[in-house]
Amino acid sequence: ELKVEQNPLFLSMQEGKNYTIYCNYSTTSDRLYWYRQDPGKSLESLFVLLSNGAVKQEGRLMASLDTKARLSTLHITAAVHDLSATYFCAVDLSGGGADGLTFGKGTHLIIQP
Amino acid sequence: NAGVMQNPRHLVRRRGQEARLRCSPMKGHSHVYWYRQLPEEGLKFMVYLQKENIIDESGMPKERFSAEFPKEGPSILRIQQVVRGDSAAYFCASSLFEGGMNTEAFFGQGTRLTVV
Repeated sequence: ELKVEQNPLFLSMQEGKNYTIYCNYSTTSDRLYWYRQDPGKSLESLFVLLSNGAVKQEGRLMASLDTKARLSTLHITAAVHDLSATYFCAVDLSGGGADGLTFGKGTHLIIQP
Repeated sequence: NAGVMQNPRHLVRRRGQEARLRCSPMKGHSHVYWYRQLPEEGLKFMVYLQKENIIDESGMPKERFSAEFPKEGPSILRIQQVVRGDSAAYFCASSLFEGGMNTEAFFGQGTRLTVV
């Protein structure tokens, strides 16, 4: 059974600081997603990582994938309050669609002024 | 092009009642997925459907839960005789089948079911 572990599960940080969220998974996969969820809202797709060594950046967020280490990271640079949300990684074993997605428990990120 | 539409957004049911959750996929998408999110947890896969066909229901509880995606109309997730433990957010996602594979799936805003 595929296990996806995120850490930390809770993170409180100050604006302007940098931090990294980690996503470890237990079975070989070369497709991983990062989502953002605001309270009471749906999941917003942030990044789709499709191969070993993939790195994608959008604004203050950067995601990477190391399929050999079975590890993905989501790095936050110079955090701002608007980035406060819950971030999920999801590993895809089915090669597309959403039937093979296994989610981590999420990282609750609070960014304080 | 509207996204994945779910309704209702919030649903309150008494124990023993039935809950019906609806999902209209994005235009042109023929594949629908249902996920459940318990408080403080990630999403857990329940069922994967095409029009008039259940492809994978390995995540569905064996009793009281059923899903359908008819030829016309939205996909329905039905929970009979609800219990308090069914209280959760239920998300639907849809994808396009193209070139022999599914594209990235997009999620709806969810239905938050509360059983009292």
